Amino acid sequence: DVKVTQSSRYLVKRTGEKVFLECVQDMDHENMFWYRQDPGLGLRLIYFSYDVKMKEKGDIPEGYSVSREKKERFSLILESASTNQTSMYLCASSPGGGGPYNEQFFGPGTRLTVL
Amino acid sequence: DQQVKQNSPSLSVQEGRISILNCDYTNSMFDYFLWYKKYPAEGPTFLISISSIKDKNEDGRFTVFLNKSAKHLSLHIVPSQPGDSAVYFCAASLLMNRDDKIIFGKGTRLHILP
Repeated sequence: DVKVTQSSRYLVKRTGEKVFLECVQDMDHENMFWYRQDPGLGLRLIYFSYDVKMKEKGDIPEGYSVSREKKERFSLILESASTNQTSMYLCASSPGGGGPYNEQFFGPGTRLTVL
Repeated sequence: DQQVKQNSPSLSVQEGRISILNCDYTNSMFDYFLWYKKYPAEGPTFLISISSIKDKNEDGRFTVFLNKSAKHLSLHIVPSQPGDSAVYFCAASLLMNRDDKIIFGKGTRLHILP
């Protein structure tokens, strides 16, 4: 079974703090993704990576950066947290290469609250 | 502009009856469609998918129907069970893309009533 783990289930930070959210997958997947989920807005893509050290902006990259130094690990960084970044953050991975089995596998999520 | 639309934010269905969740898309290039299910405080889990070369795919109680001319798909759950209460996300993608990027709808919350 694919396992995607996220470093924290719940996190509380103060405005202006630098925040790191870590995600690890154990299936040697090429692609990794960061989303945020907000009520009424669904899942919105922040950043994704299709290879080590490669990253692409998603739909809402402002205020975020990412790092992928190793294939299994994808980090989301909030350089200076703001209250409007309070949200559920979801990490996902997928095998890559296209084809009919390109579903993404999600981690359990991190509920981040910025005070 | 939303490329994948789920126009019903919520739906309530009696236990044992059929649940029908609808989804519309705007990009005719999409050729692979997925449904994900999400419980509170958990990540979404893949439920069922369909390729654009088919118009129906069935897996147990779950069936997805695709109408390409109308750019519409639907998920049928028969019979509905209490454990089906969750948020369902419709999603679309392009099989040729190696990045597996998926466009999600905003979700429909399904309530199964006893």
